[in-house]
Amino acid sequence: GQQLNQSPQSMFIQEGEDVSMNCTSSSIFNTWLWYKQDPGEGPVLLIALYKAGELTSNGRLTAQFGITRKDSFLNISASIPSDVGIYFCAGHTGNQFYFGTGTSLTVIP
Amino acid sequence: ETGVTQTPRHLVMGMTNKKSLKCEQHLGHNAMYWYKQSAKKPLELMFVYNFKEQTENNSVPSRFSPECPNSSHLFLHLHTLQPEDSALYLCASSQELPSGRADTQYFGPGTRLTVL
Repeated sequence: GQQLNQSPQSMFIQEGEDVSMNCTSSSIFNTWLWYKQDPGEGPVLLIALYKAGELTSNGRLTAQFGITRKDSFLNISASIPSDVGIYFCAGHTGNQFYFGTGTSLTVIP
Repeated sequence: ETGVTQTPRHLVMGMTNKKSLKCEQHLGHNAMYWYKQSAKKPLELMFVYNFKEQTENNSVPSRFSPECPNSSHLFLHLHTLQPEDSALYLCASSQELPSGRADTQYFGPGTRLTVL
């Protein structure tokens, strides 16, 4: 199946720092989604992107749909302790969503 | 609250038991999914239903049997599972558009399954 490469795998940052993570694919997607998952819970949708080049914000989160349609990034500004969790990207093509391996974020107060 | 509910939230079963997981979506979506999430692995797609018809079965063992009686409900029937089937099972729904694009996908909270 399609492979999404998500990086970095994990991040340890100080509270207040900005965070950036990205996903790349060898395939073109028509939708990119970013999720956050807390332990033992389902992923919660953060941002949805539908057009190449689209830049969308949700509070301190900003995500972009790459121009080539093969990549996307997520930025978190001024991180806070509750940002801790695993962040997943997902791309849609055909009738399926494909997921990245996740970025584990730890915020040190 | 994402509009997708799953029951039970936790399930412990023996290898000879039969149990079912239930998922319900209140979003009016036309597609529903079952995923398996194991520790340190990406989400694994198991089954996809579009308009109640199964469109994907990603080589899932027959001990997992899905059922989609209508576009709002999805079940996963479990029978003679193995310990390696222990994982978080996630249900999701989305709106598949005629163009082949999809609206966003929303997940339920998952069922944490332990097979003894």
